Amino acid sequence: AAGVIQSPRHLIKEKRETATLKCYPIPRHDTVYWYQQGPGQDPQFLISFYEKMQSDKGSIPDRFSAQQFSDYHSELNMSSLELGDSALYFCASSFGVPSYNEQFFGPGTRLTVL
Amino acid sequence: QKEVEQNSGPLSVPEGAIASLNCTYSDRGSQSFFWYRQYSGKSPELIMFIYSNGDKEDGRFTAQLNKASQYVSLLIRDSQPSDSATYLCAAILGYNKLIFGAGTRLAVHP
Repeated sequence: AAGVIQSPRHLIKEKRETATLKCYPIPRHDTVYWYQQGPGQDPQFLISFYEKMQSDKGSIPDRFSAQQFSDYHSELNMSSLELGDSALYFCASSFGVPSYNEQFFGPGTRLTVL
Repeated sequence: QKEVEQNSGPLSVPEGAIASLNCTYSDRGSQSFFWYRQYSGKSPELIMFIYSNGDKEDGRFTAQLNKASQYVSLLIRDSQPSDSATYLCAAILGYNKLIFGAGTRLAVHP
Protein backbone atom coordinates (compact mmCIF):
# COMPACT_ATOMS: atom_id res chain seq x y z
CA ALA A 1 0.00 0.00 0.00
CA ALA A 2 1.14 3.52 -0.75
CA GLY A 3 2.52 5.45 2.19
CA VAL A 4 3.28 9.05 3.00
CA ILE A 5 6.26 10.30 1.02
CA GLN A 6 8.63 12.94 2.33
CA SER A 7 11.50 14.65 0.60
CA PRO A 8 14.29 15.13 1.07
CA ARG A 9 15.08 12.40 3.58
CA HIS A 10 18.18 14.21 4.82
CA LEU A 11 19.05 17.89 4.67
CA ILE A 12 22.06 19.78 5.92
CA LYS A 13 21.89 23.57 6.15
CA GLU A 14 23.89 26.39 7.66
CA LYS A 15 22.54 28.79 10.28
CA ARG A 16 20.35 31.54 8.83
CA GLU A 17 19.68 29.57 5.64
CA THR A 18 16.25 28.47 4.47
CA ALA A 19 14.87 24.98 3.94
CA THR A 20 11.79 23.53 2.25
CA LEU A 21 10.42 20.14 3.24
CA LYS A 22 7.86 18.38 1.09
CA CYS A 23 5.14 15.89 1.97
CA TYR A 24 2.99 13.79 -0.33
CA PRO A 25 0.06 12.23 1.57
CA ILE A 26 -1.39 8.79 1.05
CA PRO A 27 -3.68 8.87 -2.04
CA ARG A 28 -7.17 10.15 -1.18
CA HIS A 29 -6.03 11.54 2.16
CA ASP A 30 -7.09 15.15 2.49
CA THR A 31 -5.40 16.16 5.73
CA VAL A 32 -1.71 16.60 6.41
CA TYR A 33 0.07 17.26 9.67
CA TRP A 34 3.61 18.34 10.47
CA TYR A 35 5.49 17.24 13.58
CA GLN A 36 8.98 18.04 14.86
CA GLN A 37 10.91 15.51 16.93
CA GLY A 38 14.11 16.62 18.62
CA PRO A 39 16.71 14.13 19.87
CA GLY A 40 15.25 12.04 22.70
CA GLN A 41 11.97 13.97 22.54
CA ASP A 42 8.43 13.02 21.61
CA PRO A 43 6.96 14.41 18.39
CA GLN A 44 5.63 17.95 18.76
CA PHE A 45 2.70 19.08 16.62
CA LEU A 46 3.47 22.05 14.38
CA ILE A 47 0.56 22.62 12.03
CA SER A 48 -2.13 20.82 10.02
CA PHE A 49 -4.17 21.38 6.89
CA TYR A 50 -7.55 20.00 5.89
CA GLU A 51 -8.76 20.47 2.33
CA LYS A 52 -6.01 23.04 1.73
CA MET A 53 -6.99 25.21 4.69
CA GLN A 54 -5.05 25.44 7.94
CA SER A 55 -7.01 23.39 10.47
CA ASP A 56 -4.91 23.57 13.61
CA LYS A 57 -1.73 25.21 14.80
CA GLY A 58 0.72 24.13 17.45
CA SER A 59 4.15 25.27 18.51
CA ILE A 60 5.32 26.38 15.07
CA PRO A 61 7.83 29.26 15.14
CA ASP A 62 6.99 32.40 13.20
CA ARG A 63 10.04 31.66 11.02
CA PHE A 64 8.23 28.61 9.67
CA SER A 65 5.31 28.59 7.30
CA ALA A 66 3.42 25.84 5.54
CA GLN A 67 0.74 25.30 2.98
CA GLN A 68 -1.22 22.56 1.30
CA PHE A 69 -1.60 22.61 -2.45
CA SER A 70 -4.44 21.62 -4.76
CA ASP A 71 -3.00 18.12 -5.18
CA TYR A 72 -2.97 17.84 -1.35
CA HIS A 73 0.79 17.77 -1.04
CA SER A 74 2.22 20.09 1.58
CA GLU A 75 5.41 22.07 2.02
CA LEU A 76 6.99 23.31 5.23
CA ASN A 77 9.17 26.37 4.68
CA MET A 78 11.75 27.19 7.32
CA SER A 79 13.71 30.43 7.27
CA SER A 80 16.54 31.90 9.37
CA LEU A 81 17.44 28.41 10.51
CA GLU A 82 18.84 28.02 14.00
CA LEU A 83 20.90 25.22 15.53
CA GLY A 84 17.87 24.24 17.61
CA ASP A 85 15.88 23.49 14.47
CA SER A 86 17.94 20.35 13.97
CA ALA A 87 15.41 17.54 14.33
CA LEU A 88 13.39 14.91 12.55
CA TYR A 89 10.41 16.42 10.78
CA PHE A 90 7.51 14.08 10.20
CA CYS A 91 4.53 14.55 7.99
CA ALA A 92 1.41 12.51 8.62
CA SER A 93 -1.81 12.20 6.67
CA SER A 94 -5.39 11.10 7.31
CA PHE A 95 -8.75 11.01 5.53
CA GLY A 96 -12.09 12.40 6.51
CA VAL A 97 -13.09 13.78 9.90
CA PRO A 98 -9.63 14.15 11.34
CA SER A 99 -10.10 13.65 15.05
CA TYR A 100 -11.60 10.19 14.52
CA ASN A 101 -9.22 9.03 11.86
CA GLU A 102 -5.80 7.58 12.26
CA GLN A 103 -2.78 9.56 11.24
CA PHE A 104 -0.16 7.71 9.23
CA PHE A 105 3.38 9.00 9.41
CA GLY A 106 5.92 9.40 6.66
CA PRO A 107 9.57 8.34 7.04
CA GLY A 108 10.63 11.82 8.10
CA THR A 109 13.19 14.38 6.99
CA ARG A 110 16.28 14.65 9.16
CA LEU A 111 17.34 18.30 9.21
CA THR A 112 20.79 19.17 10.48
CA VAL A 113 21.65 22.84 10.96
CA LEU A 114 25.37 23.57 11.26
CA GLN B 1 2.45 18.83 33.66
CA LYS B 2 2.35 17.27 30.22
CA GLU B 3 -1.07 16.70 28.75
CA VAL B 4 -0.21 13.05 28.16
CA GLU B 5 1.96 11.28 30.72
CA GLN B 6 3.85 8.02 30.36
CA ASN B 7 6.45 6.23 32.39
CA SER B 8 9.68 6.55 30.40
CA GLY B 9 10.92 3.10 31.42
CA PRO B 10 12.77 1.14 30.35
CA LEU B 11 10.27 -1.63 30.87
CA SER B 12 12.06 -4.95 30.63
CA VAL B 13 10.12 -8.17 30.09
CA PRO B 14 11.20 -11.69 29.12
CA GLU B 15 10.27 -13.12 25.75
CA GLY B 16 6.77 -14.62 25.81
CA ALA B 17 5.57 -12.49 28.73
CA ILE B 18 2.89 -9.81 28.75
CA ALA B 19 4.10 -6.22 28.54
CA SER B 20 1.82 -3.62 30.11
CA LEU B 21 2.20 0.01 29.07
CA ASN B 22 0.29 2.80 30.76
CA CYS B 23 -0.69 6.36 29.95
CA THR B 24 -2.75 9.09 31.62
CA TYR B 25 -4.15 12.24 30.08
CA SER B 26 -5.30 15.52 31.59
CA ASP B 27 -7.91 16.87 29.16
CA ARG B 28 -11.30 15.28 29.79
CA GLY B 29 -12.36 16.55 26.37
CA SER B 30 -9.99 14.13 24.62
CA GLN B 31 -11.98 11.54 22.70
CA SER B 32 -9.47 9.56 20.65
CA PHE B 33 -6.35 7.77 21.79
CA PHE B 34 -3.58 6.13 19.84
CA TRP B 35 -0.62 3.89 20.50
CA TYR B 36 2.36 4.25 18.19
CA ARG B 37 5.53 2.18 18.12
CA GLN B 38 8.75 3.93 17.18
CA TYR B 39 12.11 2.34 16.51
CA SER B 40 15.14 4.57 16.94
CA GLY B 41 15.47 7.05 14.08
CA LYS B 42 12.31 5.78 12.39
CA SER B 43 8.81 7.21 12.10
CA PRO B 44 5.99 6.36 14.51
CA GLU B 45 3.97 3.34 13.39
CA LEU B 46 0.31 3.10 14.40
CA ILE B 47 -0.40 0.05 16.56
CA MET B 48 -3.86 0.64 18.01
CA PHE B 49 -6.49 3.33 18.40
CA ILE B 50 -9.40 3.43 20.80
CA TYR B 51 -12.37 5.77 21.25
CA SER B 52 -14.73 3.91 23.57
CA ASN B 53 -14.43 2.84 27.18
CA GLY B 54 -13.36 -0.76 27.59
CA ASP B 55 -11.03 -3.07 25.74
CA LYS B 56 -10.11 -3.35 22.09
CA GLU B 57 -8.13 -6.33 20.87
CA ASP B 58 -6.08 -6.73 17.69
CA GLY B 59 -3.89 -9.81 17.50
CA ARG B 60 -1.35 -9.74 20.32
CA PHE B 61 -2.31 -6.18 21.27
CA THR B 62 -5.11 -5.02 23.58
CA ALA B 63 -5.84 -1.36 24.23
CA GLN B 64 -7.85 -0.35 27.27
CA LEU B 65 -9.54 2.99 27.89
CA ASN B 66 -11.06 4.27 31.11
CA LYS B 67 -12.37 7.78 30.56
CA ALA B 68 -13.48 8.22 34.18
CA SER B 69 -9.89 7.63 35.35
CA GLN B 70 -8.38 9.31 32.24
CA TYR B 71 -6.26 6.24 31.71
CA VAL B 72 -5.19 4.37 28.60
CA SER B 73 -3.14 1.20 28.48
CA LEU B 74 -1.64 -1.19 25.96
CA LEU B 75 -1.05 -4.87 26.64
CA ILE B 76 1.30 -6.86 24.41
CA ARG B 77 0.90 -10.60 24.79
CA ASP B 78 3.62 -13.12 23.91
CA SER B 79 6.20 -10.34 23.73
CA GLN B 80 8.95 -10.82 21.15
CA PRO B 81 12.41 -9.25 20.95
CA SER B 82 11.19 -7.45 17.80
CA ASP B 83 8.66 -5.61 20.01
CA SER B 84 11.56 -3.79 21.66
CA ALA B 85 10.95 -0.13 20.81
CA THR B 86 9.56 3.09 22.25
CA TYR B 87 5.79 3.08 22.60
CA LEU B 88 4.13 6.47 22.28
CA CYS B 89 0.69 7.15 23.70
CA ALA B 90 -1.14 10.02 22.01
CA ALA B 91 -4.42 11.86 22.42
CA ILE B 92 -6.27 14.09 20.00
CA LEU B 93 -6.62 17.61 21.36
CA GLY B 94 -8.39 20.46 19.70
CA TYR B 95 -9.48 19.78 16.14
CA ASN B 96 -6.98 17.18 15.10
CA LYS B 97 -3.57 17.56 16.67
CA LEU B 98 -1.92 14.55 18.22
CA ILE B 99 -0.37 15.23 21.60
CA PHE B 100 2.19 12.60 22.47
CA GLY B 101 3.47 11.36 25.76
CA ALA B 102 7.21 11.09 26.27
CA GLY B 103 7.10 7.41 25.33
CA THR B 104 7.93 4.21 27.20
CA ARG B 105 10.97 2.21 26.14
CA LEU B 106 10.22 -1.50 26.06
CA ALA B 107 12.99 -4.08 26.08
CA VAL B 108 12.06 -7.72 25.47
CA HIS B 109 14.95 -10.02 26.31
CA PRO B 110 15.30 -13.62 25.10
